[in-house]
Amino acid sequence: AQTVTQSQPEMSVQEAETVTLSCTYDTSESDYYLFWYKQPPSRQMILVIRQEAYKQQNATENRFSVNFQKAAKSFSLKISDSQLGDAAMYFCAYRTTQGGSEKLVFGKGTKLTVNP
Amino acid sequence: GAGVSQSPSNKVTEKGKDVELRCDPISGHTALYWYRQSLGQGLEFLIYFQGNSAPDKSGLPSDRFSAERTGGSVSTLTIQRTQQEDSAVYLCASSLGGLRGQPQHFGDGTRLSIL
Repeated sequence: AQTVTQSQPEMSVQEAETVTLSCTYDTSESDYYLFWYKQPPSRQMILVIRQEAYKQQNATENRFSVNFQKAAKSFSLKISDSQLGDAAMYFCAYRTTQGGSEKLVFGKGTKLTVNP
Repeated sequence: GAGVSQSPSNKVTEKGKDVELRCDPISGHTALYWYRQSLGQGLEFLIYFQGNSAPDKSGLPSDRFSAERTGGSVSTLTIQRTQQEDSAVYLCASSLGGLRGQPQHFGDGTRLSIL
């Protein structure tokens, strides 16, 4: 079964600085998708960025980028020029389609605090 | 356009009562998912619907949990004889489904509290 591990329960960063959130996963699949979701106190899970495993190029969305290391099964999220609005829980997720079904397997999350 | 809509936003009920949680997916999305988010267990998959195919119910924790999706759109998650361990946030998501890597879009969730 696929597992997703986020080893940092909490992280903090100064406004305008850069922070990297870690994520590792375990899978026997060769083709899959990885996602980072953000969950502010409002509870809604907001898609931040996604990565296709067969693509070597790291995904980028404005201030958010990933460092995807397929061989190491690592998928970290870098937030540049951190803003107060970036404060939230961040979840790394693996999309599995085994058995004809489809679901996301989530890590436990990292709580990000942004200090002014 | 409108996102995934869930109701109620919050639900408080007594142990042993039945509850129904509703999810309206994004129009045109054929895939619908339910997840449960609790302090001890994190985010857990419950059930997946795709079009007219048989749903994947492998994540439902007990036979007290059931879900249906009528007309390929609205879904209802029902919990019978609620227990205190059912207290959690129940999140619904939808996606275009059937297409590679389509992201799941989530609603705001229903916070369920069992007294």
